[in-house]
Amino acid sequence: DADVTQTPRNRITKTGKRIMLECSQTKGHDRMYWYRQDPGLGLQLIYYSFDVKDINKGEISDGYSVSRQAQAKFSLSLESAIPNQTALYFCATSMAGRETQYFGPGTRLLVL
Amino acid sequence: SQQGEEDPQALSIQEGENATMNCSYKTSINNLQWYRQNSGRGLVHLILIRSNEREKHSGRLRVTLDTSKKSSSLLITASRAADTASYFCATTPGTSYGKLTFGQGTILTVHP
Repeated sequence: DADVTQTPRNRITKTGKRIMLECSQTKGHDRMYWYRQDPGLGLQLIYYSFDVKDINKGEISDGYSVSRQAQAKFSLSLESAIPNQTALYFCATSMAGRETQYFGPGTRLLVL
Repeated sequence: SQQGEEDPQALSIQEGENATMNCSYKTSINNLQWYRQNSGRGLVHLILIRSNEREKHSGRLRVTLDTSKKSSSLLITASRAADTASYFCATTPGTSYGKLTFGQGTILTVHP
């Protein structure tokens, strides 16, 4: 969905490096989410934000941090990347009061 | 932990046949959604069914929900090769509006 964009689309990094994944949306939604998907598995929630001043941990927040710079921007950081953080990362948005989420195209991250 | 569990994990059918996927969940829910994911890409919302609904249709999709059995099924009729994808159920638990919990998905392959 072009309304939700993620950068970069692919990233290779080394153990111990700090990296940032960025998400932008033009849908005007208040809520934004970061998910992680491991091969053959469903999505696990890392962090979510219901508005600019509201940040909440999800199921697997350890080793990650986020920043909601504006309504339209939500960034995910890996403070010190480790190999088991190799995964596909998705950003999603939703409108307050609605349960449907709209996903970005994903960032494929490989930590060596 | 994953709220939903899909069954089967993989399904292979011929074009024109119907495909049925099942989802079971553990706690009370407000609603249940089905999403589709084409290989390595973002998820796309298909249909949402609320806890007070038993059946819903959208085009070739039919979703049922049985809250007493904590289960849902997704039926795709007259399948096409373009339906080849992974299908995930996602639930909104009773106390967690705005957050989704995903199952591990069913991989559907439709052979031309």
